[in-house]
Amino acid sequence: DGGITQSPKYLFRKEGQNVTLSCEQNLNHDAMYWYRQDPGQGLRLIYYSQIVNDFQKGDIAEGYSVSREKKESFPLTVTSAQKNPTAFYLCASRAVLAGDNEQFFGPGTRLTVL
Amino acid sequence: AQSVAQPEDQVNVAEGNPLTVKCTYSVSGNPYLFWYVQYPNRGLQFLLKYITGDNLVKGSYGFEAEFNKSQTSFHLKKPSALVSDSALYFCAVRDLGYNKLIFGAGTRLAVHP
Repeated sequence: DGGITQSPKYLFRKEGQNVTLSCEQNLNHDAMYWYRQDPGQGLRLIYYSQIVNDFQKGDIAEGYSVSREKKESFPLTVTSAQKNPTAFYLCASRAVLAGDNEQFFGPGTRLTVL
Repeated sequence: AQSVAQPEDQVNVAEGNPLTVKCTYSVSGNPYLFWYVQYPNRGLQFLLKYITGDNLVKGSYGFEAEFNKSQTSFHLKKPSALVSDSALYFCAVRDLGYNKLIFGAGTRLAVHP
């Protein structure tokens, strides 16, 4: 899983609570990404960031928020507005020097709403 | 719009036999294509990519992929499957803005002893 860490590995949330998933990378990558993975649906992009203090919505940003205050960190907050947050969440990063660079993925966080 | 399709939800192969996991794409311009593998409860691992050049791309763990422009395909192959190859495989294409990858729905590979 390279130099990307995600914590916690498992997270349980009560309905109505906000929770924050951590993603840290030591690869000196500029770009970072958050994906949601549900069974049979592959990966769906939530948010991405190409540079510090800037980020863009992906395909399913509603009910989520992010920040990018440091190059190495890209935390994701799952808010109470996300109606069905139970899923596997994956963080990734990429060097931006060339557009053909692959993304490196963290080990994931499995979020379950109780 | 850029897109990829993985037409098979699951592929079953006997150990020692060759395997193929299919991927077709739809892009504007030249495609940048990727294959990733995911083991249970883990992140995705990069296998290989096609940017330009030789249509046969070699990657990690003995995998290779064949780029076919006329058929808009990028099938993943391995000459002799191992039980340990059993996993979920994703094909992806780079989007027009160069910033994102668009993933297929994934194909589950099951290699039987």
